[in-house]
Amino acid sequence: KAGVTQTPRYLIKTRGQQVTLSCSPISGHRSVSWYQQTPGQGLQFLFEYFSETQRNKGNFPGRFSGRQFSNSRSEMNVSTLELGDSALYLCASSPGGSSSYNEQFFGPGTRLTVL
Amino acid sequence: GEDVEQSLFLSVREGDSSVINCTYTDSSSTYLYWYKQEPGAGLQLLTYIFSNMDMKQDQRLTVLLNKKDKHLSLRIADTQTGDSAIYFCAQGDDYKLSFGAGTTVTVRA
Repeated sequence: KAGVTQTPRYLIKTRGQQVTLSCSPISGHRSVSWYQQTPGQGLQFLFEYFSETQRNKGNFPGRFSGRQFSNSRSEMNVSTLELGDSALYLCASSPGGSSSYNEQFFGPGTRLTVL
Repeated sequence: GEDVEQSLFLSVREGDSSVINCTYTDSSSTYLYWYKQEPGAGLQLLTYIFSNMDMKQDQRLTVLLNKKDKHLSLRIADTQTGDSAIYFCAQGDDYKLSFGAGTTVTVRA
């Protein structure tokens, strides 16, 4: 099976712009989670989607949004970019469904730099 | 994450054992996890432990869980240069994981 893919791998934007990142989960996986990784804050949970619905949400401002399509692919959008949004954005996929065991398979990430 | 704490750095000689420690605050998580991140890559799940277990062994990896003290450790036996990476402990349910800051393990010859 192909792993989790994220596009683009690298992105440079300027303050005030918006950006859309894409994640394709492992075939058959229905849950997609997004994380932000920065040197200062570490790995922080953004949100999780399952069957096109946002099921969980972290503590990020409304500038951060996402969606999931019927094929389970997911996108996240950040509007009005700030310098502090520079980070590695990681996507993870899971089979989904009701389970307390949450093995998440991570993609390589998208490195966003905001100038 | 503020719910999970780890020491930041560990240096170990090749062939020795590495022990990475982690403390957590949320005792309700059903599972606790150890992830590995190599440079330029995403996270790879190394192992996990069910919260009702004290120990789990998986080849060179041994996970110890002290639920009373909310302490989790990962021991890597016979550490190799390929084990150089950042190691994260994580907890959480419902597909929302909280991670520690990560321990950078450097293996020296």
